[in-house]
Amino acid sequence: EIALTQSPGTLPLSPGERATLSCRASQSVSGDSLAWYQQKPGQAPRFLIYGASKRAPGIPARFMGNGSGTDFALIIDRVEAEDFAVYFCQQYGGSAMYTFGQGTKVEI
Amino acid sequence: QVHLVDSGGGVVQPGKSLSLSCAASGFIFGSYGMHWVRQIPGKGPEWVARISYDGNSKEYAGSVKGRFTISRDNSENMMYLLMDSLTTEDTAVYYCAKGTGASGRYFDHWGQGTLVTVSS
Repeated sequence: EIALTQSPGTLPLSPGERATLSCRASQSVSGDSLAWYQQKPGQAPRFLIYGASKRAPGIPARFMGNGSGTDFALIIDRVEAEDFAVYFCQQYGGSAMYTFGQGTKVEI
Repeated sequence: QVHLVDSGGGVVQPGKSLSLSCAASGFIFGSYGMHWVRQIPGKGPEWVARISYDGNSKEYAGSVKGRFTISRDNSENMMYLLMDSLTTEDTAVYYCAKGTGASGRYFDHWGQGTLVTVSS
């Protein structure tokens, strides 16, 4: 099973700054099988990015994903107040193999 | 728009059973695979089970295989999770989630979650 390790655990930022979140896989992941989610306290995760770099419908352009192989990143260009949340990466490794990272908290 | 409503959570003793439900609306339910995903507060989500659009294919995480059963009723736009032989390690918030498109490899809409607490 592929493990996903996210870093940093917590990312302190001010509004307007750029956020770079890392997701590293224990073995190579197909680029079309990597996604990112945002979760705010008391809410369900929200689908942000799929296929490593494609934005889900309705997601603002300031959210960008990139990467390949074992290293992927979520970039939030000019963080806004509503972006302070926990972000998870997720990969699909085939039949019955869906794994999530442990999350990165973006905080003020 | 897509709307998923989870229900059925509660407090249950170890070894007992509990059934969760997910009511879906706003999309053609019978065209999409559906999932259950659980999350211990403060931790990353954990995928639990998947059922194909027609209910003929089911997959389970190793941690629940043989104890949990996923099912669906496309005529009622409902999905279910029957959880047997519960242990304290099954304590979590359980979400139903809609799979994406044909591949179903992502979770594009989630219910609000229902809390399952396994405790004596």
